[in-house]
Amino acid sequence: QSVLTQPPSVSGAPGQRVTISCTGSRSNIGAGYDVHWYQQLPGTAPKVLIYGNSNRPSGVPDRFSGSKSGTSASLAISGLQAEDEADYYCQSYDSSLSGWVFGGGTKLTVL
Amino acid sequence: QVQLQESGPGLVRPSETLSLTCTVSGYSISNAYYWGWIRQPPGKGLEWIGSIYHSGSTYYNPSLKSRVTILVVTSKNQFSLKLSSVTAADTAVYYCVRLLGGNDEIDYWGQGTLVTVSS
Repeated sequence: QSVLTQPPSVSGAPGQRVTISCTGSRSNIGAGYDVHWYQQLPGTAPKVLIYGNSNRPSGVPDRFSGSKSGTSASLAISGLQAEDEADYYCQSYDSSLSGWVFGGGTKLTVL
Repeated sequence: QVQLQESGPGLVRPSETLSLTCTVSGYSISNAYYWGWIRQPPGKGLEWIGSIYHSGSTYYNPSLKSRVTILVVTSKNQFSLKLSSVTAADTAVYYCVRLLGGNDEIDYWGQGTLVTVSS
C-alpha cells in the first residue's frame, strides 16, 4: 500500500489528453511538500519529468504539465504519442515518516 | 556529467545480508545533497529504502529501518547499502540515486541492479 495513491492505469488515443492523479494526505502533499513526477520506460531507470509540482527539466516537451492543489497533484499529458507509453510515478516527502514517498505508479497505454 | 553505478552480488541467500555499493563519478559526494537507495520489486512500484546526507546523517524507511544501514566512503566517492535478514520479498531492482534535498526531486539514478533472494 503506497502512501501516495495513483490510478493503476490510464489510456488514450494518439493526440488526446490524459491526466494522472496523485492523492496524498496532510503529512505529505497537504503539508506543502512538493510533488515530483517520473517517467519509467520499460527496462530503464525512472527519469524526472516534472519537479517542484509544475516545472519541466530541460528537454522535457511542454506536452507534459503538472499541478498541485490541497492534498493532491496531477500530471497532464497532451497530444499523446506512442513514445509516451510508460509507467509514471509521483513522489513527495512525508513528515510523519521523515522520508520520501512514492505513488504506486500508473501505466499509460497509448491505444 | 554525474553518473552513479551500482555493484554487488546478484544472488543472496535467505536470512543473509544484501550488500551493494554505489560508485559516483562527476561529483564529490562529500560536497552536498542526499544520496540514497530506491528499490523496485519485479512488476511493482518504487520504494524508498533510505538516504544519507553528505554530512553523514542517515534517514531510513521506517518499514525497513531495523535491517538497513547506509554508509559513505568519502575516499572512494562511494556509498553503500546493507540489508540484513533478507527474504524473497527483498528481491528487486535496486537503484542508487542523488536527491537534491528533502523537498526536492531525484535528479540522477543509477541504471539499477537486480538482486534475487533465493536458496
